[in-house]
Amino acid sequence: EVQLVQSGAEVKKPGESLKISCKGSGYSFTSYWIVWVRQMPGRGLEWMGITFAGDSDTRYSPSFQGQITISVDKSISTAYLQWSSLKASDSAMYYCARQEYYGSGKVDYWGQGTLVTVSS
Amino acid sequence: QSVLTQPPSASGTPGQRITISCSGSSSNIGSNYVYWYQQLPGSAPNLLIYGSNQRPSGVPDRFSGSKSGTSASLAISGLRSDDEADYHCAAWDDSLSGVVFGGGTKLTVL
Repeated sequence: EVQLVQSGAEVKKPGESLKISCKGSGYSFTSYWIVWVRQMPGRGLEWMGITFAGDSDTRYSPSFQGQITISVDKSISTAYLQWSSLKASDSAMYYCARQEYYGSGKVDYWGQGTLVTVSS
Repeated sequence: QSVLTQPPSASGTPGQRITISCSGSSSNIGSNYVYWYQQLPGSAPNLLIYGSNQRPSGVPDRFSGSKSGTSASLAISGLRSDDEADYHCAAWDDSLSGVVFGGGTKLTVL
């Protein structure tokens, strides 16, 4: 069974750094792309960026370029999303998911989400 | 503001057929497949339609997708109370080199 299990909810202060994780299992982790999707409270989904687990090739949405870093450690089948300096506007639910390939809109398995709250 | 445009809400009664529209442009829907995701309250999204009109295994044939030009639609027939959810359309965008989503449509079953 394909599973993506994300790290738990986080509460941070503005200016702090954060790294959340997404561990894949039940499939060939290095054969697929992992995407990160943001959902702000009461809002739609936003595609943030994507990484190929096999070689760490990473691409970012223009809206998020420079604001986040996506990485992967294939030795432990885990992808990461990190911020160096959080803002209150980063408060949202973040989902990792498996994307069929770069250039496809097919996201077939999703993690359970990590809720990030940034508040002073 | 989302790249793809969906109505914010839709409603229907049990047994009814409803459709949800999704409008885009030549760089996304006009040149790529459309995908639909169902997001039940408090849950992660789930793939409902891929390749504009294909259903993953396990998705009932009450759900169907179509595409024409730069617009797409999701139809749900035989509406049930457990269809209450947010529905999101998506497509690859050649100009942005990423997936673009609609703002989501909240379906209420009256």
